[in-house]
Amino acid sequence: QQQVKQSPQSLIVQKGGISIINCAYENTAFDYFPWYQQFPGKGPALLIAIRPDVSEKKEGRFTISFNKSAKQFSLHIMDSQPGDSATYFCAASGAGTYKYIFGTGTRLKVLA
Amino acid sequence: EPEVTQTPSHQVTQMGQEVILRCVPISNHLYFYWYRQILGQKVEFLVSFYNNEISEKSEIFDDQFSVERPDGSNFTLKIRSTKLEDSAMYFCASSWRNNSPLHFGNGTRLTVT
Repeated sequence: QQQVKQSPQSLIVQKGGISIINCAYENTAFDYFPWYQQFPGKGPALLIAIRPDVSEKKEGRFTISFNKSAKQFSLHIMDSQPGDSATYFCAASGAGTYKYIFGTGTRLKVLA
Repeated sequence: EPEVTQTPSHQVTQMGQEVILRCVPISNHLYFYWYRQILGQKVEFLVSFYNNEISEKSEIFDDQFSVERPDGSNFTLKIRSTKLEDSAMYFCASSWRNNSPLHFGNGTRLTVT
């Protein structure tokens, strides 16, 4: 019940294309869903986050889509750039816990 | 922008030795965390700390691990007797309240030989 499943494991996108990463959770008590971006040798950095009272949140080229009934959320990166090449982690928190449950990560490579 | 700082960036130790990983969280944050990441894999929760006590810990955080906030700024993770399988990146994180954005440091790479 505490798992967050993330797919795909890796993704290759052409420059200018759309990158889509999906996550699914089981615990309906989760109420905060952030996405983190991690470059090699660095710590995860918060990219964008959503709470279940909205179905979509957009910040620049990054959009989270949230489907509460399906218990799924996804990250869309529009106009993907080589600088977006990194590992992306979804996470979930809430449900009376202090911790974030992270997905397994998606390694994104954007080809120039 | 304020950030979480961790020292050292890389620590090499022999099996059975004690190590202390150090972190300075963001100054107005109240919740502190340690996470671990093995070889670029999943980020795993170890422990959370609030109001000078452990608020939650994972099954990984056994008796070999301890945390401390020795003063108003530092937050430390001690591993009493390191094992080979403790080799990983250890990330400190902080947040100003529960269930709010976590800010991570750049990690300490621990290598146990």
